Amino acid sequence: SQKIEQNSEALNIQEGKTATLTCNYTNYSPAYLQWYRQDPGRGPVFLLLIRENEKEKRKERLKVTFDTTLKQSLFHITASQPADSATYLCALDMRGKLQFGAGTQVVVTP
Amino acid sequence: NAGVMQNPRHLVRRRGQEARLRCSPMKGHSHVYWYRQLPEEGLKFMVYLQKENIIDESGMPKERFSAEFPKEGPSILRIQQVVRGDSAAYFCASSPSRGSGVQPQHFGDGTRLSIL
Repeated sequence: SQKIEQNSEALNIQEGKTATLTCNYTNYSPAYLQWYRQDPGRGPVFLLLIRENEKEKRKERLKVTFDTTLKQSLFHITASQPADSATYLCALDMRGKLQFGAGTQVVVTP
Repeated sequence: NAGVMQNPRHLVRRRGQEARLRCSPMKGHSHVYWYRQLPEEGLKFMVYLQKENIIDESGMPKERFSAEFPKEGPSILRIQQVVRGDSAAYFCASSPSRGSGVQPQHFGDGTRLSIL
């Protein structure tokens, strides 16, 4: 079965710096990979979707890469702000159902 | 445009009782998904439904759990004879038709189920 790994340790970063999160998976590559943000007590919020034939996708201060050879996606938050503090979830799209990683908590300090 | 609405937000049940969790998808969305998040664990897929049809229930426990998405009204996740291990946050998500390609899922804020 598919296994998805995200850094379990919280990422502490200073405001203004770039946060980089890693999502590694095993077995076959999905056609799509998605990134979500989750705040405490709330549901996940969709951020970005990247297709297997896309190397990179950007949205404002966010950037996602997808390397099907390495079986890895990187998620970058540039010019980070305290409001970016949250848990970020990587999800593989398995024909409708999403298979999530455990998430990486990001803490941005002023 | 209202988002995905889940109710109740918090539900307390005693062991052996039934729990009913409701989910109203976003307007225009015909696909509903249920996920469970146990304490300190990630979100786990349970079931994927379209109106009146179950598309994928590979994540549903074989006993006590059922889900429906009727032609009219919200989707319901039903847990019979609850046990302590059912305590978790249950999230519902919805998306429009996948006919035009994969769509992101829009999540509600979940129902937190506590079993006494």
